[in-house]
Amino acid sequence: DAKTTQPNSMESNEEEPVHLPCNHSTISGTDYIHWYRQLPSQGPEYVIHGLTSNVNNRMASLAIAEDRKSSTLILHRATLRDAAVYYCILVSGSARQLTFGSGTQLTVLP
Amino acid sequence: EAGVVQSPRYKIIEKKQPVAFWCNPISGHNTLYWYLQNLGQGPELLIRYENEEAVDDSQLPKDRFSAERLKGVDSTLKIQPAELGDSAVYLCASSLQGISYEQYFGPGTRLTVT
Repeated sequence: DAKTTQPNSMESNEEEPVHLPCNHSTISGTDYIHWYRQLPSQGPEYVIHGLTSNVNNRMASLAIAEDRKSSTLILHRATLRDAAVYYCILVSGSARQLTFGSGTQLTVLP
Repeated sequence: EAGVVQSPRYKIIEKKQPVAFWCNPISGHNTLYWYLQNLGQGPELLIRYENEEAVDDSQLPKDRFSAERLKGVDSTLKIQPAELGDSAVYLCASSLQGISYEQYFGPGTRLTVT
């Protein structure tokens, strides 16, 4: 399975945008880029996914590099409730599982 | 719409005792997953069901772990006998058919083996 690389931790100030990077240099043409997040003491929660084009939903935006070797999850206005571990995961059509890495621990400062 | 329900939320047992976890997925979701999450790490898949069939159990330690999904709805994960190293959070998730759909996770069961 293709691997992803994320920073271990990031900090952001409340009400400011947050850009969470993910590198996936070995991505294949059929791999979707999924993002999940896990709040303290909860199960992971789906955030967004995309293939080639940038995607927006009510929670976040996903910006995908033209060569697809990296992507960025954008939280437009961080709140204290966005403090969580964010996982970037590649999912292929033949995938047998979601392979979670260790993710990025986002701390939001008031 | 109700989410994925898991019980119990917490369980403390002594080593060598059996333990069981129960999961009720979101209505209409054919695919069910059990994950294990150790402290500070991401979840790791134990088993995946498509309806009643376990289609991926390659990472389930079959000497002590077992799972079932009767009638393709609820599922039970069992450990017998438990070991100290089994202390972790056990997560259940469900999705529409297939791996590429978004997965919905339950809150998990935190198991402590003493």
